[in-house]
Amino acid sequence: AQSVAQPEDQVNVAEGNPLTVKCTYSVSGNPYLFWYVQYPNRGLQFLLKYITGDNLVKGSYGFEAEFNKSQTSFHLKKPSALVSDSALYFCAVRGPEGAGNKLTFGGGTRVLVKP
Amino acid sequence: GAGVSQSPSNKVTEKGKDVELRCDPISGHTALYWYRQSLGQGLEFLIYFQGNSAPDKSGLPSDRFSAERTGGSVSTLTIQRTQQEDSAVYLCASRRPGVASTGELFFGEGSRLTVL
Repeated sequence: AQSVAQPEDQVNVAEGNPLTVKCTYSVSGNPYLFWYVQYPNRGLQFLLKYITGDNLVKGSYGFEAEFNKSQTSFHLKKPSALVSDSALYFCAVRGPEGAGNKLTFGGGTRVLVKP
Repeated sequence: GAGVSQSPSNKVTEKGKDVELRCDPISGHTALYWYRQSLGQGLEFLIYFQGNSAPDKSGLPSDRFSAERTGGSVSTLTIQRTQQEDSAVYLCASRRPGVASTGELFFGEGSRLTVL
């Protein structure tokens, strides 16, 4: 079975400081990894994904994530956080073709960026 | 419309009543998912439709839950004899064809269900 862990329920950071949201995963075979963001009273929006290739992937709104196979991690990062980045962030994983169609989400991490 | 549309946006019902939640995916998207998001919790997979294939119902929590997708487009999630623990936001998502495992999902804004 595939699973995702987001160990921090909430991350607080001052505006302008680096932001990191942690994610570790478990899946059979090569993983496909995703980050989504949910702003208040809105649906989830796609941020970025890792499928193959470079371990560092860049996404929307200045976010990036680093795939680390040995540590089974896919941490989300932003060099300089904005107040508008305050939201709920979800990491998700699915296995390779033939391993099922379910995209499994972590429990979410709430990010609060203070001015 | 340009995005995934869900209705109603809010539904308050009494315990024991049946409810229907509707999802209209992005035009041309062949894959459709239902997820449930309870207060303070992550997303729980419910069901997945892909074209004319048999749906993956492995996430439905009980036989009170069912879903159908008519004509490969609109989907309806039905909850019979609702219970208070069914209270949650029900999210629908669709995905464009040809990108199976690697494609991102496009989510609607959800239907918030409150069972009194």
